[in-house]
Amino acid sequence: GAVVSQHPSRVICKSGTSVKIECRSLDFQATTMFWYRQFPKKSLMLMATSNEGSKATYEQGVEKDKFLINHASLTLSTLTVTSAHPEDSSFYICSARALQGGDTEAFFGQGTRLTVV
Amino acid sequence: GQNIDQPTEMTATEGAIVQINCTYQTSGFNGLFWYQQHAGEAPTFLSYNVLDGLEEKGRFSSFLSRSKGYSYLLLKELQMKDSASYLCAPMDSNYQLIWGAGTKLIIKP
Repeated sequence: GAVVSQHPSRVICKSGTSVKIECRSLDFQATTMFWYRQFPKKSLMLMATSNEGSKATYEQGVEKDKFLINHASLTLSTLTVTSAHPEDSSFYICSARALQGGDTEAFFGQGTRLTVV
Repeated sequence: GQNIDQPTEMTATEGAIVQINCTYQTSGFNGLFWYQQHAGEAPTFLSYNVLDGLEEKGRFSSFLSRSKGYSYLLLKELQMKDSASYLCAPMDSNYQLIWGAGTKLIIKP
């Protein structure tokens, strides 16, 4: 299957700083990328959907000024957690999909474990 | 609304067969995915069903009945490494995956 590369896999940052997470589709063009957040023993929670070249669509309850998403190209989307706080500590996962030729499978990145201290 | 219903936890024996059921309600339907997730890792793709019937792929098979809003994942010849959470995720009319909490599968020797 197609490869989605997400990094960093782990990051520890201090409260008040910002952290950027990158998600790249390596061998296909991702027209749509999804950002998820997962708390321990809970299901994946969709945070936002981004389409290349347009503003991201955020799910209800997700602060768009805190979680900045940029999908500047067909192979790269970034999530920036601004002014991070300990409650932002979580597992963040990106997913990319190319709606071409009826292929609607979503490919996941490896995930990023963020710890805010 | 949209919701997914799967058992929270199941236990099975190494070498046996286990079936994980999933019922769903979504706004529109564009297929259903099954993912496997080991603790602390991202989900990995197992199967995708868009038509009714059984799709077999090695030790794993997935079944779909669109009229019943029902799917199951069948795992044969269970191995210890199959201990993981299994996520049923239907895709709605906007091509968004709807996630449940998953089924934690525990394999015992």
